[in-house]
Amino acid sequence: EAGVAQSPRYKIIEKRQSVAFWCNPISGHATLYWYQQILGQGPKLLIQFQNNGVVDDSQLPKDRFSAERLKGVDSTLKIQPAKLEDSAVYLCASSLLIGRTGNPQYFGPGTRLTVT
Amino acid sequence: SQQGEEDPQALSIQEGENATMNCSYKTSINNLQWYRQNSGRGLVHLILIRSNEREKHSGRLRVTLDTSKKSSSLLITASRAADTASYFCATAVSGSRLTFGEGTQLTVNP
Repeated sequence: EAGVAQSPRYKIIEKRQSVAFWCNPISGHATLYWYQQILGQGPKLLIQFQNNGVVDDSQLPKDRFSAERLKGVDSTLKIQPAKLEDSAVYLCASSLLIGRTGNPQYFGPGTRLTVT
Repeated sequence: SQQGEEDPQALSIQEGENATMNCSYKTSINNLQWYRQNSGRGLVHLILIRSNEREKHSGRLRVTLDTSKKSSSLLITASRAADTASYFCATAVSGSRLTFGEGTQLTVNP
């Protein structure tokens, strides 16, 4: 089966510019996640969708970050305006519907963002 | 705050040796998962162990979970150069939200 697709793979922008990332999850996966991974650290959850509804966005810096998942499939994550500290890899993951006992998450290759 | 903390931060072994990585966490969990990340790539799910399980195996991987000590270990037996990667534990308190640790960088020398 096809994995999680992300684009672009790399992006370099100047601070105060805006940027958008795209994610296409595994077919049939109802739950979609966006993570931020700073170099040398573990991924940090930014936002979690179930179908096209937001389940958890408690760690999303809402003054500059936004995300949507129209029609419950593809998702976009936007940063506007970007700051130097936003330099990181942005990972998208998907999983089957949330269950009580948990499901593995399947990750895309990520988008490496450099803010100069 | 990070829920899981891996130990050691870095581990270097020879091919054929076993590698053991540990993970400690602070609060009660629903399940704990281990992931591998090769340099510049996304994460790959290895094993999920639920709070009522004590041990799981998958090929050369063995994961244990001790909920009384709030700790888990990942054992890779007969390591190969291709096992070189970062290994992360991730805990789920409820639902599917995962909190990742900082990871262990494993280097397997040929």
